[in-house]
Amino acid sequence: EAGVAQSPRYKIIEKRQSVAFWCNPISGHATLYWYQQILGQGPKLLIQFQNNGVVDDSQLPKDRFSAERLKGVDSTLKIQPAKLEDSAVYLCASSLVGGRSYNEQFFGPGTRLTVL
Amino acid sequence: KNEVEQSPQNLTAQEGEFITINCSYSVGISALHWLQQHPGGGIVSLFMLSSGKKKHGRLIATINIQEKHSSLHITASHPRDSAVYICAVRSDRGSTLGRLYFGRGTQLTVWP
Repeated sequence: EAGVAQSPRYKIIEKRQSVAFWCNPISGHATLYWYQQILGQGPKLLIQFQNNGVVDDSQLPKDRFSAERLKGVDSTLKIQPAKLEDSAVYLCASSLVGGRSYNEQFFGPGTRLTVL
Repeated sequence: KNEVEQSPQNLTAQEGEFITINCSYSVGISALHWLQQHPGGGIVSLFMLSSGKKKHGRLIATINIQEKHSSLHITASHPRDSAVYICAVRSDRGSTLGRLYFGRGTQLTVWP
C-alpha cells in the first residue's frame, strides 16, 4: 500500500514570496491533516479536512496561509507571502476517519521549507 | 506552556543500555501516542495507550492516567534506535476533541 506522498521535499524561497505544497493521502483515507514542525519542536496542527470539508483550522494563520482539498483527495497548502518564521517542515498526514473515532494517522515525509 | 512536556530533550547511550524517555501532559486525553521520527521527517507510530502498559519487541510504553505521565523504555538499545521520539496526546475536550498535541521530541543517539 502506497503511503502519504508529499512534494516538493525541499523548498527555498525568499521572504514575501509565495509557495505551495502538495499532498496525496493514502487511498480511501477521508481525513487529511497539515502540520507545521518548527526545528526543535513537535508538529502543530494547521488544518484538518474531513473529505473536502474543513474540520479544524483554528491554528491556521489565515492572513497568509490557505489550504484546499477540492475533490476530497489531494490537498494543497499555500503560504502567501512567506515570512522568515515560516521556515519549518510541513507534514501531511491522513487517516481513515477522524474526530470522535480514532484511526491511526499516517505521515508523509514532509516538505522542508527555508525562507531566506 | 506546552500541553505536552518531554524529557530529556537529548539522550546519548551506549549500545545495549536501557533507555527511558518521559512524557507529562496537562490536558484531558483519550489516548497517548509514542511516535518515532527519523532524519528526513517521516513519522511512524510506535504505540497508542489509554491505560496500563504495552510492549512491542524491545519497546515498552506505560501510562499513569492519574499522574498524567507516560514513559517509553527501550531495552538493549541499538544504533538503529537512533531517532527522535515524540509523545503526543489526543484531546478529549470540547472544541479540540480528537486533536493531537505533540511534545518537542527527544533526540536519541545510540553509539556502537
